[in-house]
Amino acid sequence: EAQVTQNPRYLITVTGKKLTVTCSQNMNHEYMSWYRQDPGLGLRQIYYSMNVEVTDKGDVPEGYKVSRKEKRNFPLILESPSPNQTSLYFCASSRQGIYGYTFGSGTRLTVV
Amino acid sequence: ILNVEQSPQSLHVQEGDSTNFTCSFPSSNFYALHWYRWETAKSPEALFVMTLNGDEKKKGRISATLNTKEGYSYLYIKGSQPEDSATYLCALKDNYGQNFVFGPGTRLSVLP
Repeated sequence: EAQVTQNPRYLITVTGKKLTVTCSQNMNHEYMSWYRQDPGLGLRQIYYSMNVEVTDKGDVPEGYKVSRKEKRNFPLILESPSPNQTSLYFCASSRQGIYGYTFGSGTRLTVV
Repeated sequence: ILNVEQSPQSLHVQEGDSTNFTCSFPSSNFYALHWYRWETAKSPEALFVMTLNGDEKKKGRISATLNTKEGYSYLYIKGSQPEDSATYLCALKDNYGQNFVFGPGTRLSVLP
């Protein structure tokens, strides 16, 4: 089944403790992206990647890192999480061109 | 920064009513427009990909039109049902065909 897999689905952590949210897609998509969703603010892009080893900042990149060493994986790294990073995170992938996104199932992160 | 707007922000209709909402975007940056349906506690799911001025797409009771010259798209739902309750997102792909910009969404509630 074609899908984007995010892990974990839920995570509660403490301020300053490094964490990684994994994202993997099995559709050979070139384009991958991370979003956060906060009440009243819609989907805001954190980082995106147009292909292996090519990443760029979205609208709200501060406090996050990403890497794209393989085409299928695009992990989101929070080196020192803070409470303002408590949010619902979505990973998504797409083919280049007119095609739309396939979204992962989301990761609800709480930083205390 | 591209700005994609959606109106209204939220909408309450009675079961059986037909409804429509708007996505506005800068026409000079158009490459493709996507509509997504996003139910609470789930991931956004693609509804339509629209690329040509005058495009009309239909899926069951939901349809969409596109005007790239004036920079808007309408989403119509005929005979709304409670299961149509969701947030409807539009997303613009810019004229480099790479990155997506999401609107803030229209939250639809269909009352039985």
